[in-house]
Amino acid sequence: GENVEQHPSTLSVQEGDSAVIKCTYSDSASNYFPWYKQELGKRPQLIIDIRSNVGEKKDQRIAVTLNKTAKHFSLHITETQPEDSAVYFCAAIMTTDSWGKFQFGAGTQVVVTP
Amino acid sequence: DVKVTQSSRYLVKRTGEKVFLECVQDMDHENMFWYRQDPGLGLRLIYFSYDVKMKEKGDIPEGYSVSREKKERFSLILESASTNQTSMYLCASSVLAGGEQYFGPGTRLTVT
Repeated sequence: GENVEQHPSTLSVQEGDSAVIKCTYSDSASNYFPWYKQELGKRPQLIIDIRSNVGEKKDQRIAVTLNKTAKHFSLHITETQPEDSAVYFCAAIMTTDSWGKFQFGAGTQVVVTP
Repeated sequence: DVKVTQSSRYLVKRTGEKVFLECVQDMDHENMFWYRQDPGLGLRLIYFSYDVKMKEKGDIPEGYSVSREKKERFSLILESASTNQTSMYLCASSVLAGGEQYFGPGTRLTVT
């Protein structure tokens, strides 16, 4: 079946450096690509998302890029700060009005060291 | 502010017991989801409901069933709990099926 591969599984960066997480999906019908951040002991929360008709989206220090031809999308975090330390999940979602397929990546543990 | 609550944060059950996990959202969301979260496997969808009494199987429905009698409440049922169902269970809701999901705090279930 469909799946989403997420790399790397762990990422250690110095404060102020950039972090990049990459995801590859298999279902070309996927049309919605969210990224969730889960801090230790807390629930996942959406940080940014992109739809299949857009190639790039940016929100302050975070950005997402989508390459539909290659079926991969990436999360970019610039000027990392200690509060960026968390597990990040990507997802590839294909939906109609009342049905959907939801595939999450395995997660990336990001550690930002001061 | 969307609020998604789950009936228990921690639960310990014995093998063979019937287990009910409940999720309630207060934002009139059409869509509700049950996931399990295991280390190295991310979030895996168990069931999805897009309307009252409507449900769709996710990737790992075996051993689980769901009930959605009211819009705000989505229950996950383990018919006969087994040790391989020990996991963190997360409920979520969303306005659009393809939109932001709001997660509950999770229930850590241990089956002994």
